[in-house]
Amino acid sequence: GQQVMQIPQYQHVQEGEDFTTYCNSSTTLSNIQWYKQRPGGHPVFLIQLVKSGEVKKQKRLTFQFGEAKKNSSLHITATQTTDVGTYFCAGRGYGQNFVFGPGTRLSVLP
Amino acid sequence: DTAVSQTPKYLVTQMGNDKSIKCEQNLGHDTMYWYKQDSKKFLKIMFSYNNKELIINETVPNRFSPKSPDKAHLNLHINSLELGDSAVYFCASSTDSIYNEQFFGPGTRLTVL
Repeated sequence: GQQVMQIPQYQHVQEGEDFTTYCNSSTTLSNIQWYKQRPGGHPVFLIQLVKSGEVKKQKRLTFQFGEAKKNSSLHITATQTTDVGTYFCAGRGYGQNFVFGPGTRLSVLP
Repeated sequence: DTAVSQTPKYLVTQMGNDKSIKCEQNLGHDTMYWYKQDSKKFLKIMFSYNNKELIINETVPNRFSPKSPDKAHLNLHINSLELGDSAVYFCASSTDSIYNEQFFGPGTRLTVL
């Protein structure tokens, strides 16, 4: 079945450094979503990407969808302590259900 | 005004018991979901209902039974609880089962002793 992987599993950065998490699917995706879960909280939707090669920005966050629609990335510029949490990608194959990746846990040291 | 609410927030129970978790959404969404998040934070979909009809039923033990009395509610009943059922269970909803963002509830932390 469809598998969604994320790397790295954990990332510790100093405040102000950049951060990137990568998401890879075993199958071509119709669309991909990104969520953030703060410690002790619930996943919160960040963005959805649909088109091949699509790039979207939200302030310091940049999201990309690969040309082959099998991978995606989330890049945070100049991290802040408020960025702490686990970032999940969720990919949906054509005619399939959404599958969440295992997440990348981000720690930001002040 | 909570968009997706779950009760209870915490549930501690003994092995073998039967328990229910309730979920309600006031967003007017057509689709509701149940997810299980284990201790390693893996989020796995269990069920999805669209307009009170089951559209996803991932491989979960039949001790888990969802019930949707109306499209604003999706409850989860668990029979004969086992230690491995300990996890955080999230309810979520969306306007469309294919493309739209999912709104998650605050979660129910289930601990089976």
